[in-house]
Amino acid sequence: GAGVSQSPRYKVAKRGQDVALRCDPISGHVSLFWYQQALGQGPEFLTYFQNEAQLDKSGLPSDRFFAERPEGSVSTLKIQRTQQEDSAVYLCASSLAETEETQYFGPGTRLLVL
Amino acid sequence: SQKIEQNSEALNIQEGKTATLTCNYTNYSPAYLQWYRQDPGRGPVFLLLIRENEKEKRKERLKVTFDTTLKQSLFHITASQPADSATYLCALDIPGGYQKVTFGTGTKLQVIP
Repeated sequence: GAGVSQSPRYKVAKRGQDVALRCDPISGHVSLFWYQQALGQGPEFLTYFQNEAQLDKSGLPSDRFFAERPEGSVSTLKIQRTQQEDSAVYLCASSLAETEETQYFGPGTRLLVL
Repeated sequence: SQKIEQNSEALNIQEGKTATLTCNYTNYSPAYLQWYRQDPGRGPVFLLLIRENEKEKRKERLKVTFDTTLKQSLFHITASQPADSATYLCALDIPGGYQKVTFGTGTKLQVIP
């Protein structure tokens, strides 16, 4: 059984560029979370999907951040007009059901905005 | 919102000793608390979950305690090994209908051979 995968693993963007980060959750997992992790910090919640429905986007830092999961499996986090403060590791996690407490994390995408 | 405090300093211990990591929170008591392990360049990996009505949970060399009066969880690794060196994160649930959690900043553990 494959775990959660994310791509790309590393992304360097020039300030102002748009980026798209992909997450492939474990097959059949209903819940999907995106987190942002700054260096030396714990993951900070960005957004939550239950199947294709985005039920919570309270953690998205600005309207430049947008996430989707159109078919209830693969998810994409898009950041428009990247800024240097967007540099961080972006983690995706999935869980089997909305009642399941254990989250399975991907390796993350390290984004560096120059 | 919940404020979580973990040892901000790295913890260095000798191989074979017991490592004890602390997670303190300041506001409401969560329904459950989790501990995750994170290695450099990797995502967190779930280790243990303890619920508010449980005092202690064990898994192999790991033990977690939960004191809702002190608003504290302790995470113990007995007979520590260099392979246990990693950052350990605690996460507390946030009430809201799905399993949303908030993470602490983590404690970096270094087990010295």
